[in-house]
Amino acid sequence: DAGVIQSPRHEVTEMGQEVTLRCKPISGHNSLFWYRQTMMRGLELLIYFNNNVPIDDSGMPEDRFSAKMPNASFSTLKIQPSEPRDSAVYFCASSLRETQYFGPGTRLLVL
Amino acid sequence: QKEVEQNSGPLSVPEGAIASLNCTYSDRGSQSFFWYRQYSGKSPELIMFIYSNGDKEDGRFTAQLNKASQYVSLLIRDSQPSDSATYLCAVNLNQAGTALIFGKGTTLSVSS
Repeated sequence: DAGVIQSPRHEVTEMGQEVTLRCKPISGHNSLFWYRQTMMRGLELLIYFNNNVPIDDSGMPEDRFSAKMPNASFSTLKIQPSEPRDSAVYFCASSLRETQYFGPGTRLLVL
Repeated sequence: QKEVEQNSGPLSVPEGAIASLNCTYSDRGSQSFFWYRQYSGKSPELIMFIYSNGDKEDGRFTAQLNKASQYVSLLIRDSQPSDSATYLCAVNLNQAGTALIFGKGTTLSVSS
């Protein structure tokens, strides 16, 4: 299996622009997680889905953040409008049971 | 709010020594505990998990769990320079066990 796939790997944008991060989970996994990692706050869970249904979005920092999972093989995390404090590495992870497998991450820089 | 605490380090050990990484958690109802390793610029990868009190060994790694003290640790025997990384402790966030809350990690440096 190719593992969890994320795109883009790097994104540089200007404040106020819309950013869309994409994730393809491992085939057969039924849970998908979006995380944000910064030096100050560590690895934070933003939202997770079970069987394509959002279960807990309490980690989403603001209404500017939204996530969707239209089918079992694709999810997006959108930030609109983006702000410099959104700069971080965003990871997607998937799991079938307790073990989560992480994608390579998207390094986002908002200028 | 559930919390997972780790000493940020860096923890420095010489090659061949035992590295001991520690983690405490706030929710007494937590049932599943995980150790992830993250190399600089890379994504976290699972080293091992533990559910029951006591020790669990996997090669050079031993996880230790003490639920009464809300404490979990990771021992790395015969430490190698390739073990130099950040080690993240994670605890299940909910009863279903699927979502995790992570500590901020301990950076380990093994010198040759």
